Amino acid sequence: SAVISQKPSRDICQRGTSLTIQCQVDSQVTMMFWYRQQPGQSLTLIATANQGSEATYESGFVIDKFPISRPNLTFSTLTVSNMSPEDSSIYLCSVRVTGLTGELFFGEGSRLTVL
Amino acid sequence: GQQLNQSPQSMFIQEGEDVSMNCTSSSIFNTWLWYKQDPGEGPVLLIALYKAGELTSNGRLTAQFGITRKDSFLNISASIPSDVGIYFCAGQLPGSQGNLIFGKGTKLSVKP
Repeated sequence: SAVISQKPSRDICQRGTSLTIQCQVDSQVTMMFWYRQQPGQSLTLIATANQGSEATYESGFVIDKFPISRPNLTFSTLTVSNMSPEDSSIYLCSVRVTGLTGELFFGEGSRLTVL
Repeated sequence: GQQLNQSPQSMFIQEGEDVSMNCTSSSIFNTWLWYKQDPGEGPVLLIALYKAGELTSNGRLTAQFGITRKDSFLNISASIPSDVGIYFCAGQLPGSQGNLIFGKGTKLSVKP
């Protein structure tokens, strides 16, 4: 497994602002992902964070709205840009420790409320 | 996109009872995972399944990877109050980039 730290754990944001969420892992991992969990809902993949290159986004998510960085094998950021109340969600960083299949481990999430 | 049908959506049971929940899909998966999420926390991995027919236990939890590779179930025996939470199934499609597709969750409530 891996220890995954996310910051901030929660925040209240104003409409139109942007917020960057950080994800730090205690060991090098092969894959990092960002998920969104809207209130009372399941988890939806936003993008795969690729080390040293542009993230791979899922349908319905775009780089301008959710820019992602992954400068190395232990760290990634997700920015939620120009926020609206519809962006109020839990944003979760997840990692796969080795290989391309198998278990994903999750951080505790960043709960954003947009007013 | 791909969907996982998870049922039941919620369960309200008495302490000591056994619980069963399942996930089905029209697609074949090569990995099935079961997670539990407590309020304010991220999902925690309970059981991982990698082979059709595989039956795996983790304490009072037992999960199986369906023979058709399109379904999985999770059983919890002799439930206790700390079993309360939301349980999610998740699957990985063959040839995918490693990400998981999640079911909608089963909310479990346990009455002491």
